[in-house]
Amino acid sequence: GQQVMQIPQYQHVQEGEDFTTYCNSSTTLSNIQWYKQRPGGHPVFLIQLVKSGEVKKQKRLTFQFGEAKKNSSLHITATQTTDVGTYFCAEVNYGGSQGNLIFGKGTKLSVKP
Amino acid sequence: DTGVSQNPRHKITKRGQNVTFRCDPISEHNRLYWYRQTLGQGPEFLTYFQNEAQLEKSRLLSDRFSAERPKGSFSTLEIQRTEQGDSAMYLCASSLRPGSTEAFFGQGTRLTVV
Repeated sequence: GQQVMQIPQYQHVQEGEDFTTYCNSSTTLSNIQWYKQRPGGHPVFLIQLVKSGEVKKQKRLTFQFGEAKKNSSLHITATQTTDVGTYFCAEVNYGGSQGNLIFGKGTKLSVKP
Repeated sequence: DTGVSQNPRHKITKRGQNVTFRCDPISEHNRLYWYRQTLGQGPEFLTYFQNEAQLEKSRLLSDRFSAERPKGSFSTLEIQRTEQGDSAMYLCASSLRPGSTEAFFGQGTRLTVV
């Protein structure tokens, strides 16, 4: 069945360093969404990517969708302590429920000040 | 507050007891989802409503689980005869359209079965 694999599982960085998390699928994705979950919080939508090769930026965050629409990445430039949390990619399941999300296991980011 | 609201925020119950959680979605959202999240994992889909109709249930949703959305507004998730394996965060999310817009998540109900 559909599954997105996310790596790495954990990432510890020094404040100011860059961070990247990768999301991979064995099947072609219709679109991919990214969410951030702060410690003790709930997932919060960051962005949706739809087009092959799409690149979107939000301040220090850069999101990319692969040409084959089988992978995606989130890159954070010059991390800050406010970036701490778990970043999830999620593919949209159009096969059954018309829109439920299938989440990866997430990458937990810790930032040392 | 116009976000997704869930209550209670925390629930501790003894094994074998029944529990019920409530979710109030964003008012104009006709799609409502329930997810379960355990430590170190991403949220896992449980069930989905479009208005008052329950259109999809995951195989994760055993017979002890039931969800309703009367009148297409708030939703309840009931777990009967709770087991320790039911301990998790139960998240509710709502959206306007299937997969083409963001899902708005509530803050969740953390269930601990002792």
